[in-house]
Amino acid sequence: AQTVTQSQPEMSVQEAETVTLSCTYDTSESDYYLFWYKQPPSRQMILVIRQEAYKQQNATENRFSVNFQKAAKSFSLKISDSQLGDAAMYFCAYRSAGNTPLVFGKGTRLSVIA
Amino acid sequence: EAGVTQSPTHLIKTRGQQATLRCSPISGHTSVYWYQQALGLGLQFLLWYDEGEERNRGNFPPRFSGRQFPNYSSELNVNALELEDSALYLCASSFRFAGNQPQHFGDGTRLSIL
Repeated sequence: AQTVTQSQPEMSVQEAETVTLSCTYDTSESDYYLFWYKQPPSRQMILVIRQEAYKQQNATENRFSVNFQKAAKSFSLKISDSQLGDAAMYFCAYRSAGNTPLVFGKGTRLSVIA
Repeated sequence: EAGVTQSPTHLIKTRGQQATLRCSPISGHTSVYWYQQALGLGLQFLLWYDEGEERNRGNFPPRFSGRQFPNYSSELNVNALELEDSALYLCASSFRFAGNQPQHFGDGTRLSIL
């Protein structure tokens, strides 16, 4: 079974600075997808960024980018120019190829300091 | 486009009672997933429905059950409620052949057991 580990329960960052959230996963599969979701206090899970395992190029969405290291099974999220609205729980998630349930890490709570 | 909708927003029950939670997927999505988000435990996969059938279930007892209707909406039923069932229950939907498309989440139902 696949597992996802987020080793940082809490992180903080100064407004306008850069922060990196860590995620590692364990799988024997070669084809899969990785996601970062954000859950603000409003509790809705919002997709931040996705990465296909077969793509070597790291995904980027505006201020959000990932460092995908397939051999190391690592999938970290970098948030540049942090904003107060980035404060939330961030979940790393794994999904096998095909339509399967997501496997989530336990999350990292990010605080942004003004 | 309307997102995933869940009802009720909050549900208060007592031990031993039964709870019914509802979810309407995004139009065109045929797969519905249920996740439990208990305090400190992250998101745990509960059930997956597609085309009216249960496709997979997580490591939960049989008193957690559900169904999917012809319009692809879904119900989650929890019988013989226990205090440990207190959690946020999130519903997500996706296309059947999702590829790299993410699951889209609703705002959740907060179930409180007194």
